Amino acid sequence: AQKITQTQPGMFVQEKEAVTLDCTYDTSDPSYGLFWYKQPSSGEMIFLIYQGSYDQQNATEGRYSLNFQKARKSANLVISASQLGDSAMYFCAMSVTGGGNKLTFGTGTQLKVEL
Amino acid sequence: KAGVTQTPRYLIKTRGQQVTLSCSPISGHRSVSWYQQTPGQGLQFLFEYFSETQRNKGNFPGRFSGRQFSNSRSEMNVSTLELGDSALYLCASSPLGPVGNQPQHFGDGTRLSIL
Repeated sequence: AQKITQTQPGMFVQEKEAVTLDCTYDTSDPSYGLFWYKQPSSGEMIFLIYQGSYDQQNATEGRYSLNFQKARKSANLVISASQLGDSAMYFCAMSVTGGGNKLTFGTGTQLKVEL
Repeated sequence: KAGVTQTPRYLIKTRGQQVTLSCSPISGHRSVSWYQQTPGQGLQFLFEYFSETQRNKGNFPGRFSGRQFSNSRSEMNVSTLELGDSALYLCASSPLGPVGNQPQHFGDGTRLSIL
């Protein structure tokens, strides 16, 4: 079974600063994928970034980067130059190869960007 | 390219009734997954469909069922509704089969309220 742990229920960051959202995972499968999603108050889930377990380099997508530390089983999301529109709930999730497309989600981190 | 479309957006039902939710995946996407999101249990996987066949199933009672049509559109049905079924139901699609480790793209969800 897979497990995702997000220990920060809420975070505040000032506009234009960088912020790191923590995520640790647990699985015995050697091949897996890690994902981050953003959920604004309107409810839709927006895919942000993906990291494969065998990827050598950390994934980056625009202002989003994933700090992947395999030995520590952590996959933290870094948002650079925060914007007011980044205020939302952020979920870390994982799937394992051979497990279909089933995503196991963490409990989420509510990010609030302030002026 | 149109995203994942879920209908209806909002639904109010009473205990004991049944409900059908619809999901149209992104054009060309063949795998559809369903998730339930509640404040208490978070995001939980319901089931996944590919080629009109259920490929994965989460830990939900038999009152929750689904199907997929030849055009990849999917429906989920909940019978004998209970108060605890009040939730946001999210549908996600992905282009490949149930191979895992690929981003899933979510719809805006159907918010179901049980009175």
